[in-house]
Amino acid sequence: DVKVTQSSRYLVKRTGEKVFLECVQDMDHENMFWYRQDPGLGLRLIYFSYDVKMKEKGDIPEGYSVSREKKERFSLILESASTNQTSMYLCASTLGIGTQYFGPGTRLTVL
Amino acid sequence: LAKTTQPISMDSYEGQEVNITCSHNNIATNDYITWYQQFPSQGPRFIIQGYKTKVTNEVASLFIPADRKSSTLSLPRVSLSDTAVYYCLVVGGANNLFFGTGTRLTVIP
Repeated sequence: DVKVTQSSRYLVKRTGEKVFLECVQDMDHENMFWYRQDPGLGLRLIYFSYDVKMKEKGDIPEGYSVSREKKERFSLILESASTNQTSMYLCASTLGIGTQYFGPGTRLTVL
Repeated sequence: LAKTTQPISMDSYEGQEVNITCSHNNIATNDYITWYQQFPSQGPRFIIQGYKTKVTNEVASLFIPADRKSSTLSLPRVSLSDTAVYYCLVVGGANNLFFGTGTRLTVIP
């Protein structure tokens, strides 16, 4: 069965902290994505990666960076967390333009 | 960027057929139309994908007119468990992903 896992379901951090959100998929998918979801705004694409060490900016990359050192793992990094980055973060993976498989999400609160 | 427009919310009684329409005026020749379902505290889940005309699976049907500028997701005989947010997505490559705000469907007993 397809599996996308995220390192934490809930996370609480303080303003200015460096935050790592990790995503792992076991389907050998080439493409991986990070979204954030906020009430009334739907899902917005932060970054995606179509291969190891490759990354592309999505719609809202400001304040975030990503890392993909291995095919199965895609990390989202908040260099200096701010309160406006409090959100639900969703990771997904896909083979080509096929179905996106999503992880359970990480609800991040920045105090 | 092929953005989509959907109704913000819909209500339906149990047992009825529900049709949710999505507008995607800027769809490109190579783009596909994909629908996802999302329950609270979960990630979206794939429902159906199509390119033109009609696609049907065990969950839903997808109707796409010839000009492909819109599509309609049809859920037959909805139940309370179909209460969720439904997203229409135009997919033509990894840099063409726009989920939008989705349609919140509430099924009423």
